[in-house]
Amino acid sequence: AQSVSQHNHHVILSEAASLELGCNYSYGGTVNLFWYVQYPGQHLQLLLKYFSGDPLVKGIKGFEAEFIKSKFSFNLRKPSVQWSDTAEYFCAVRQGSQGNLIFGKGTKLSVKP
Amino acid sequence: NAGVTQTPKFRVLKTGQSMTLLCAQDMNHEYMYWYRQDPGMGLRLIHYSVGEGTTAKGEVPDGYNVSRLKKQNFLLGLESAAPSQTSVYFCASSRTRGDTGELFFGEGSRLTVL
Repeated sequence: AQSVSQHNHHVILSEAASLELGCNYSYGGTVNLFWYVQYPGQHLQLLLKYFSGDPLVKGIKGFEAEFIKSKFSFNLRKPSVQWSDTAEYFCAVRQGSQGNLIFGKGTKLSVKP
Repeated sequence: NAGVTQTPKFRVLKTGQSMTLLCAQDMNHEYMYWYRQDPGMGLRLIHYSVGEGTTAKGEVPDGYNVSRLKKQNFLLGLESAAPSQTSVYFCASSRTRGDTGELFFGEGSRLTVL
């Protein structure tokens, strides 16, 4: 069965630090890749997604992610985090074009002002 | 535009009681999903529906039943609640499974089973 691994459970950064959250998946075929964000007390929102084409994907609020097929990875990055980026981040993978989304366990990001 | 609405938002049950969570979407989406979110476990798919009148099992379906009698509504039922079902439940919908594939989530329903 497909699985999604997020390497860090909790990341603590100071404002203006750079961020990279790891995501690896186990399926070797065609995949659709997503990052969702859940701000405290809110529902999940889509940050960015990758279906095909340029492996460097830009999302909202200055986030980007890079799909590296050879490494089965889709890491999320942001050059300079803000206090308002404090949230939980979920990587999700869809196997093929018609499968259900499989979510990772999430990474909590705490940004110190 | 309400998007995806879940009711109730909070509920406390005793073991063995039954309840139904209602999810309503006003985006005319074909696909609807119920997830549960537990600390350190991420989101796990309970059941989903690919259209009115259809339902299918997800990753953790045991102890839950669902119905999709109307396209806009997706009900999640617990017939005999257990403490292991204490969780936050999220409903989501999407226009298609492929295509953009974006899921739109409700705000969650926090259920505590004593």
